[in-house]
Amino acid sequence: DAKTTQPPSMDCAEGRAANLPCNHSTISGNEYVYWYRQIHSQGPQYIIHGLKNNETNEMASLIITEDRKSSTLILPHATLRDTAVYYCIVSNTSGTYKYIFGTGTRLKVLA
Amino acid sequence: DAGVTQSPTHLIKTRGQQVTLRCSPKSGHDTVSWYQQALGQGPQFIFQYYEEEERQRGNFPDRFSGHQFPNYSSELNVNALLLGDSALYLCASSLFLRNTIYFGEGSWLTVV
Repeated sequence: DAKTTQPPSMDCAEGRAANLPCNHSTISGNEYVYWYRQIHSQGPQYIIHGLKNNETNEMASLIITEDRKSSTLILPHATLRDTAVYYCIVSNTSGTYKYIFGTGTRLKVLA
Repeated sequence: DAGVTQSPTHLIKTRGQQVTLRCSPKSGHDTVSWYQQALGQGPQFIFQYYEEEERQRGNFPDRFSGHQFPNYSSELNVNALLLGDSALYLCASSLFLRNTIYFGEGSWLTVV
């Protein structure tokens, strides 16, 4: 079973920030939080990951709560091309890690 | 810098047949994982290869087998195809001991 829970769907107005929540209350100390997105059943695209500090890259920001039990992916200025299924995954650093995907959040960006 | 490439992109097979899917990892990567994604669901881990050995396996029957070659490319073989094997098969590559994996565009398999 997936170790994360996400809302099944969200809408966001174009140009506004999209905030996608993820709950991972059973996360272990050596597990990272990863975010991927999948557009039209293409291969999942890596977005960002973090351990305990907030992270930002050219695509998004990742905010992880201090207790690490939840996180939020922020797309600062959503565009229509950001419409996709977003997956939050926790993965450890054991060397033979497998990603366990949940059903993700289907984000629809509205014009 | 080439990303993960998979072939073929689409194929149709008949029940009982066998299929081979191929994957070339991202340049510099040495570890390949395979995932199955049924329509409307998240990807499910099949297995992972490193140093030409299967390192970890998900909950898939022995009909699913794989191989990794010295150049790090990989094949996924599925024998005795069932209708339920119809899915998008995703290959992902990474550096061993590094979490971040990168996916290819997948191979769509339809079993009729």
